[in-house]
Amino acid sequence: DAGVIQSPRHEVTEMGQEVTLRCKPISGHDYLFWYRQTMMRGLELLIYFNNNVPIDDSGMPEDRFSAKMPNASFSTLKIQPSEPRDSAVYFCASSFPGRGLAEAFFGQGTRLTVV
Amino acid sequence: RKEVEQDPGPFNVPEGATVAFNCTYSNSASQSFFWYRQDCRKEPKLLMSVYSSGNEDGRFTAQLNRASQYISLLIRDSKLSDSATYLCVVRTYSSASKIIFGSGTRLSIRP
Repeated sequence: DAGVIQSPRHEVTEMGQEVTLRCKPISGHDYLFWYRQTMMRGLELLIYFNNNVPIDDSGMPEDRFSAKMPNASFSTLKIQPSEPRDSAVYFCASSFPGRGLAEAFFGQGTRLTVV
Repeated sequence: RKEVEQDPGPFNVPEGATVAFNCTYSNSASQSFFWYRQDCRKEPKLLMSVYSSGNEDGRFTAQLNRASQYISLLIRDSKLSDSATYLCVVRTYSSASKIIFGSGTRLSIRP
């Protein structure tokens, strides 16, 4: 398996623009997590899905952030409008099916810079 | 209070030294525990799971104390290649299962 695939790897955008980050989880995994990492705040859980259903979005910082998982093999995290303080590395991770307590596997992340 | 707390470090130790990291978690419903390693500008990767009885993987030993809600990682005979950030991770299962990361402890091994 190719592992968790995220795109793009790097994104530079201007303040106010819409940004869409993409994630393809490992095939067969039923949990998908979106995290944001900054030097100041570390790795923060934004939202997670189980069987394509959003379970907990309490980590989403503002209404400008939204996430979807239309099917088991694809998820998006959208920021609209983007702001400079959104600059961070965004990671997607997925986890084994049926084993609710297994570890998460990460994608390589998307490094977002909002100028 | 953060759900998972770690000393951010940095720890700067000589090669060959033994170093220990500690972590505390606040949710008593937590059921799975892990240590991840993250290299600079890379994604976190699983180092080892932490079992109730404690477990060892080569130079690495992990311990769990459920009563105190405390997890530890011990690295013996440290190598230059051990330099990284070590993340304490807790997975909680109620109606669904979320994974929470500590902010990480930076380790730097000097020659």
